[in-house]
Amino acid sequence: GNSVTQMEGPVTLSEEAFLTINCTYTATGYPSLFWYVQYPGEGLQLLLKATKADDKGSNKGFEATYRKETTSFHLEKGSVQVSDSAVYFCALSGSARQLTFGSGTQLTVLP
Amino acid sequence: GAVVSQHPSRVICKSGTSVKIECRSLDFQATTMFWYRQFPKQSLMLMATSNEGSKATYEQGVEKDKFLINHASLTLSTLTVTSAHPEDSSFYICSAREPGLLTQPQHFGDGTRLSIL
Repeated sequence: GNSVTQMEGPVTLSEEAFLTINCTYTATGYPSLFWYVQYPGEGLQLLLKATKADDKGSNKGFEATYRKETTSFHLEKGSVQVSDSAVYFCALSGSARQLTFGSGTQLTVLP
Repeated sequence: GAVVSQHPSRVICKSGTSVKIECRSLDFQATTMFWYRQFPKQSLMLMATSNEGSKATYEQGVEKDKFLINHASLTLSTLTVTSAHPEDSSFYICSAREPGLLTQPQHFGDGTRLSIL
């Protein structure tokens, strides 16, 4: 079956630091890949997506590239802000239309 | 962008009470909605897939009679936790997929914090 393995947290960074959250997946076929962000007490918001190999999703300074050869979709941001503090989930969507989530990574950015 | 509204955002009630949670897609029609449960500091666990006009598909280990799902229209799905007990306390989140290709993302509601006393 499909699975997503995500870098364990928590991750604590200083403001303006570089962020990488690793995500690898196992899936049959050609899944779509997503990053979602969850702020405290809220639901999930779509951050970015990529639907085929070598696609780069980007939004709000975050980006991730769909790497089929390494089955990865790592999230990066060049300069994080305090407002980026949240839980980040990597997810994939296969032919069954369901989302399979990673375990989530708590990010805390300190001023 | 696509918006999913979930209501109520928080429920506190006594053991034995049944609780209904609504999930609405506000600006698109969703033939399929999803219900998740999230425990503190954990990922989302898919409970069931709600299909408009037909029975929901439940994941293994999820009690159908405990978690009743009704998807009566293309914009509304409801989850009823029947005879809730303290172990049902959790954060419940719904999502809906925009119609079209499988590559369309799911959009999530803001979740319902259920606390059973």
